[in-house]
Amino acid sequence: NAGVTQTPKFQVLKTGQSMTLQCAQDMNHEYMSWYRQDPGMGLRLIHYSVGAGITDQGEVPNGYNVSRSTTEDFPLRLLSAAPSQTSVYFCASSYSIAYEQYFGPGTRLTVT
Amino acid sequence: AQKVTQAQTEISVVEKEDVTLDCVYETRDTTYYLFWYKQPPSGELVFLIRRNSFDEQNEISGRYSWNFQKSTSSFNFTITASQVVDSAVYFCALIRRSNFGNEKLTFGTGTRLTIIP
Repeated sequence: NAGVTQTPKFQVLKTGQSMTLQCAQDMNHEYMSWYRQDPGMGLRLIHYSVGAGITDQGEVPNGYNVSRSTTEDFPLRLLSAAPSQTSVYFCASSYSIAYEQYFGPGTRLTVT
Repeated sequence: AQKVTQAQTEISVVEKEDVTLDCVYETRDTTYYLFWYKQPPSGELVFLIRRNSFDEQNEISGRYSWNFQKSTSSFNFTITASQVVDSAVYFCALIRRSNFGNEKLTFGTGTRLTIIP
């Protein structure tokens, strides 16, 4: 099992550009989520999904879109990148929200 | 609303000393789950432990132990005989369990632990 994979590992964007961060898992987990990690702020939930076709907002959803068309994939779209979105992004999956999350290796995004 | 507080931003100890990382949580729910995750310098997040609100037994795993006390809303983590490999950022997290499908995992801000050789 590859676990949770994320691409790309690093990305530099200019303000206003859009892009999609990819996340995939091969563990047949229903629950998937996206977090951003900023210095001194821990991990903050952006969006999450409890199954294919079902998504909901987390703590900091503005500027991001998600969709879940399959169990395996949960891409995160930045609609119009802003410097405030410079962060490390982690995707995670779990059997259920009450169980441990398996995290991807992260994507370091810089917006200039 | 739910909240997790890790008041210790950074801790440094000399190798082989014991160290305790504090975690205080807030929730109105009676059913919830608490977690600890480790983030070593390489950046990945590693699950350490999960505890549900109905199980107040302390847990020991090798040099690691966890003390869950509902009376003080705390879920503290102790490393005994610390080693350099324990140097990492440690996160405490909480999720409540409801019937409405809107559970969200809340992380504390983390404690950076440095073990000095």
